[in-house]
Amino acid sequence: GAGVSQSPSNKVTEKGKDVELRCDPISGHTALYWYRQSLGQGLEFLIYFQGNSAPDKSGLPSDRFSAERTGGSVSTLTIQRTQQEDSAVYLCASSLAGAGEQYFGPGTRLTVT
Amino acid sequence: SQQGEEDPQALSIQEGENATMNCSYKTSINNLQWYRQNSGRGLVHLILIRSNEREKHSGRLRVTLDTSKKSSSLLITASRAADTASYFCATGTGTASKLTFGTGTRLQVTL
Repeated sequence: GAGVSQSPSNKVTEKGKDVELRCDPISGHTALYWYRQSLGQGLEFLIYFQGNSAPDKSGLPSDRFSAERTGGSVSTLTIQRTQQEDSAVYLCASSLAGAGEQYFGPGTRLTVT
Repeated sequence: SQQGEEDPQALSIQEGENATMNCSYKTSINNLQWYRQNSGRGLVHLILIRSNEREKHSGRLRVTLDTSKKSSSLLITASRAADTASYFCATGTGTASKLTFGTGTRLQVTL
């Protein structure tokens, strides 16, 4: 079956612009996660959705970051007024409820110039 | 923030040799997982060990967990060039919970 997909695979944007990153989880997976990987910070958790529960936003670095998950499936991560320190690979993962292992997408490489 | 450290940061071995990577973490966990990453993109899940388990095997992989020392090790036996990648440990505080990743070990397997 299809894995987790993310789009775009690469995004170059100018400082101050808004960007939207998309994640399509594996069908039937109720949990969806966003992580960020950068040279200076390693792999960091951003936000987590589980079914209809309120998302865990504890990893979002600032109020410029937000995410939504529509219909319990596709998720969009939005970064407003991008800064150079936002440059990183943004990874999405999904998992079955009650399972530990997460399945990762290929990531979106964001470069803010 | 990261849960802990992995060592070594980099490891270079020849094909056929065994590779051992270690991971330490700081807080109580429900499970510990190991992931592989090629070329800085998507991560592939390798193995999960629960906090009440001490050892787990999957093919050429062997993972141990010592909760009293808050540490884990990943052993890859009879390594192959295709095992060249970065390996990360990650801890979960519950099922279907967010993961906190270690700093990673870059493994290079040469012919």
